[in-house]
Amino acid sequence: GAGVSQSPSNKVTEKGKDVELRCDPISGHTALYWYRQSLGQGLEFLIYFQGNSAPDKSGLPSDRFSAERTGGSVSTLTIQRTQQEDSAVYLCASQPWGRSYEQYFGPGTRLTVT
Amino acid sequence: RKEVEQDPGPFNVPEGATVAFNCTYSNSASQSFFWYRQDCRKEPKLLMSVYSSGNEDGRFTAQLNRASQYISLLIRDSKLSDSATYLCVVNPTGANNLFFGTGTRLTVIP
Repeated sequence: GAGVSQSPSNKVTEKGKDVELRCDPISGHTALYWYRQSLGQGLEFLIYFQGNSAPDKSGLPSDRFSAERTGGSVSTLTIQRTQQEDSAVYLCASQPWGRSYEQYFGPGTRLTVT
Repeated sequence: RKEVEQDPGPFNVPEGATVAFNCTYSNSASQSFFWYRQDCRKEPKLLMSVYSSGNEDGRFTAQLNRASQYISLLIRDSKLSDSATYLCVVNPTGANNLFFGTGTRLTVIP
């Protein structure tokens, strides 16, 4: 079946511009996570959505970052006024209900801020 | 202190060798532990869970030492296809998310 998809696969933007990254999770998966991975760094948790519950935004690094999940499916991560330190690979993962360890990752969006 | 710490490597080993990776975690209340594998410029994928009693999946053996807050992964009879970065992952009790180590890079040499 179809896995997690993300778009765009690559994004180059100028400092100060806003960007939107999209994630299509696996159908039926109730949980969705956003992470980012910088060169040589581990995955950094950003935000978590579970069903209709309020999202866990505890990992968002600043108020320039926000995310939505519409209809319990597609999610969009928005970064406003991008900075060079935002350059990273942004990974989305979805997870079946009740299996907190089994996260299925998308291929990621490589964001470069110039 | 980081939630999860790993030796970044790199580990360069010949085919057929046995190699072991270690990882420590800081939250003693953590209950769930995993190893993920990440190939170059690809997404992470679950390799195996780590159980208290230790567990084995083919050539891969995972062990947990709760007293020392230490997790290990042993790979026997290394194959070229084992070349990847191995991520130690912890899910602290009550946490919604997984905490990932920075990974240990393995290269298996012909």
